[in-house]
Amino acid sequence: DARVTQTPRHKVTEMGQEVTMRCQPILGHNTVFWYRQTMMQGLELLAYFRNRAPLDDSGMPKDRFSAEMPDATLATLKIQPSEPRDSAVYFCASGLGASEQYFGPGTRLTVT
Amino acid sequence: AQKITQTQPGMFVQEKEAVTLDCTYDTSDQSYGLFWYKQPSSGEMIFLIYQGSYDEQNATEGRYSLNFQKARKSANLVISASQLGDSAMYFCAMIKREGAQKLVFGQGTRLTINP
Repeated sequence: DARVTQTPRHKVTEMGQEVTMRCQPILGHNTVFWYRQTMMQGLELLAYFRNRAPLDDSGMPKDRFSAEMPDATLATLKIQPSEPRDSAVYFCASGLGASEQYFGPGTRLTVT
Repeated sequence: AQKITQTQPGMFVQEKEAVTLDCTYDTSDQSYGLFWYKQPSSGEMIFLIYQGSYDEQNATEGRYSLNFQKARKSANLVISASQLGDSAMYFCAMIKREGAQKLVFGQGTRLTINP
């Protein structure tokens, strides 16, 4: 049963610290997405990769967020420095084609 | 720009009844897809069903069916014979089939199934 995995599942950190979230997409999937979910904004796209190349990161605050895919089995989302307003659940999703996107379990980030 | 509207913030339904969750969308694209996801209290996002804009038949997956009315730009989710485990948030989402394949989500509907 192939699944998207994300680590860590929970992260509590202090303002100003660096946060790194990791995602392992489903083997063979060529698209990877990072979403953020908050009560106020709902689900919003942060970044999107196809075949490891970044295609859209317009939803991401560029000054503090960065997203990379060092290889086909790993996607990372970094926040440096973190701020309390970054507290949210961060989801990674992967897919093959336009008719599927499978989500990981999410990373719940709390910045104090 | 694409937009998804879910007009029902919350719904309460008796167990075993059928329930329809509303979703309307706005897009100028001809080729697109519509998804429904379930988010239980555990927080995971569970894929339920997908409908392509050119699919002639309404999509069905077990107790889930998608009532796709293209002219009205609606893609309602129908759950037959609801169960207590169906209580969750439900999100409708849209994707462009060409170009940037990113999902745009609605605000969600919280469904509560009463015993």
